[in-house]
Amino acid sequence: NAGVTQTPKFQVLKTGQSMTLQCAQDMNHEYMSWYRQDPGMGLRLIHYSVGAGITDQGEVPNGYNVSRSTTEDFPLRLLSAAPSQTSVYFCASSPDGGGRYEQYFGPGTRLTVT
Amino acid sequence: GQQLNQSPQSMFIQEGEDVSMNCTSSSIFNTWLWYKQDPGEGPVLLIALYKAGELTSNGRLTAQFGITRKDSFLNISASIPSDVGIYFCAGLPIQGAQKLVFGQGTRLTINP
Repeated sequence: NAGVTQTPKFQVLKTGQSMTLQCAQDMNHEYMSWYRQDPGMGLRLIHYSVGAGITDQGEVPNGYNVSRSTTEDFPLRLLSAAPSQTSVYFCASSPDGGGRYEQYFGPGTRLTVT
Repeated sequence: GQQLNQSPQSMFIQEGEDVSMNCTSSSIFNTWLWYKQDPGEGPVLLIALYKAGELTSNGRLTAQFGITRKDSFLNISASIPSDVGIYFCAGLPIQGAQKLVFGQGTRLTINP
């Protein structure tokens, strides 16, 4: 199993541009989520999904959209990039079965908005 | 939103020393997780705790789910250079709709 994969690994955007961060998992996990990590801070939840077709907002959803058309994929879209969205983005998945909530993280996407 | 207070924020120790860190919350959690993050990588799960009072070990690491359900502790015994990194606690609040909350992290530095 590849686990959780994320692409791209690095990205530079200009203010106002849009892009999609890709996330995929091959563990048949129902639960997937997106976090952002800023210096000196823990991970903050952007959006999450408890299964295909179901998404919900996390702590910092503004400026981001998600969709979950399949169990495997959970892309994160930046609608109009802003410098405040410069961060490291992590995707994670979890079995979410029987009360297990261990989340497994991808390697991250390092985004810079100029 | 929910917040976890993780302490200390950083630690500078000698190789071979034991390490202790903790996370506290003002509200009750029903799951505690401990992660380690190496530079340029995603967090890796170390230990998961699901019952109040639970004590779980993973090699030289031991974590406990506090009896009040508002705190958790992580201990590392006989530290080695590869223990360097940032350790995060994460908790699932009872009223949280499956939204994990993360602490700010403890940065561990080891002097050989």
